[in-house]
Amino acid sequence: AQTVTQSQPEMSVQEAETVTLSCTYDTSESDYYLFWYKQPPSRQMILVIRQEAYKQQNATENRFSVNFQKAAKSFSLKISDSQLGDAAMYFCAYRSRLGETSGSRLTFGEGTQLTVNP
Amino acid sequence: EPEVTQTPSHQVTQMGQEVILRCVPISNHLYFYWYRQILGQKVEFLVSFYNNEISEKSEIFDDQFSVERPDGSNFTLKIRSTKLEDSAMYFCASSELGALTEAFFGQGTRLTVV
Repeated sequence: AQTVTQSQPEMSVQEAETVTLSCTYDTSESDYYLFWYKQPPSRQMILVIRQEAYKQQNATENRFSVNFQKAAKSFSLKISDSQLGDAAMYFCAYRSRLGETSGSRLTFGEGTQLTVNP
Repeated sequence: EPEVTQTPSHQVTQMGQEVILRCVPISNHLYFYWYRQILGQKVEFLVSFYNNEISEKSEIFDDQFSVERPDGSNFTLKIRSTKLEDSAMYFCASSELGALTEAFFGQGTRLTVV
């Protein structure tokens, strides 16, 4: 079974600065997807960024980028120019590519609570 | 922008009662999911549903739980004989093409069992 670990329960960053959230995972599969989800106080889960394991290029979405190290099974999220609205719980998640034409579960990490200080 | 809608936002029920949590997935999506998040813990997968049947379920999803798509638009989670430990946030999600596409989450239903 796959596992996802986020070793930083809490992080803080100054507004306009850069912060990196860590995530490691364990799997025996070679092809899969990795995600970062944001959960603001409203509790809704919002997709931030997605990475396909077969792609060597790191995904980027505006101020959000990832550092995907497949051999190390590491998937960190970098938030540049942090804004007050970035304050939220961030979850790293894994999804197998097996059974991609059927429902495939997301396996989540424990989450990192990000505080943005003005 | 289309969104997944869950009702109610908060449900309080007495231990032993049955509850039904409702979800309206995005209209052209074919895959539906329920996840659970106990306060302070990680989000856990419960069940996935495709083509009017369960495609995958976790060890949490025992006989106490059932899912249904009663009318082509709603997707429900029924919890029979609720227990205190069922208190959690329940999230519904849907995706267009399974693992190939993004799962969109609803805003969640907070279930409190007293």
